[in-house]
Amino acid sequence: KAGVTQTPRYLIKTRGQQVTLSCSPISGHRSVSWYQQTPGQGLQFLFEYFSETQRNKGNFPGRFSGRQFSNSRSEMNVSTLELGDSALYLCASSLSPGGLGANVLTFGAGSRLTVL
Amino acid sequence: AQSVTQLDSHVSVSEGTPVLLRCNYSSSYSPSLFWYVQHPNKGLQLLLKYTSAATLVKGINGFEAEFKKSETSFHLTKPSAHMSDAAEYFCVVSDLPGGGNKLTFGTGTQLKVEL
Repeated sequence: KAGVTQTPRYLIKTRGQQVTLSCSPISGHRSVSWYQQTPGQGLQFLFEYFSETQRNKGNFPGRFSGRQFSNSRSEMNVSTLELGDSALYLCASSLSPGGLGANVLTFGAGSRLTVL
Repeated sequence: AQSVTQLDSHVSVSEGTPVLLRCNYSSSYSPSLFWYVQHPNKGLQLLLKYTSAATLVKGINGFEAEFKKSETSFHLTKPSAHMSDAAEYFCVVSDLPGGGNKLTFGTGTQLKVEL
């Protein structure tokens, strides 16, 4: 069973550019969440999608956006990149958004973004 | 608001000795708690989870954690450390009403295992 696949694994951009990251969840998983990991701020929740709808959103500026497709694949986009956006972006999938108690998330290996 | 505090940023143990990684939590609701591990250049892997079924939770690779409501703690332990346990460990809480996948991570504890 394939795990969570994130592409690209590494990328370098310059300030002001935009970037799109892709995440393919485990087959059958319909919920996709995104997290940002930096040395200074640690792991922070970006947003969660289920059935093509954003369910939860973290405390990030509007430059960060995402979407989910009908096949549950998800993309996140960061526009007008800043140096501080350099980070490991992790995608996680689960069967559903959860009920009484959270679901177990399976994480991908991440996309490491460097902004110069 | 939910939060977790990992009391040690670095822990060093000798191979074969016990491991204790400490975590305190704060939650407005009955929390779901997790421990995840991250090896260098790898994604996060779930070690174990607590969702109110039993206070002592057993996970993979010999790890376990005990939920203590009176102390608001969820410490991770292992009786005997192995070199392969060297990694960063995250205590995580999710307590959105009705569940959900919005997780709050602790700042992490780097575990070093020495010969």
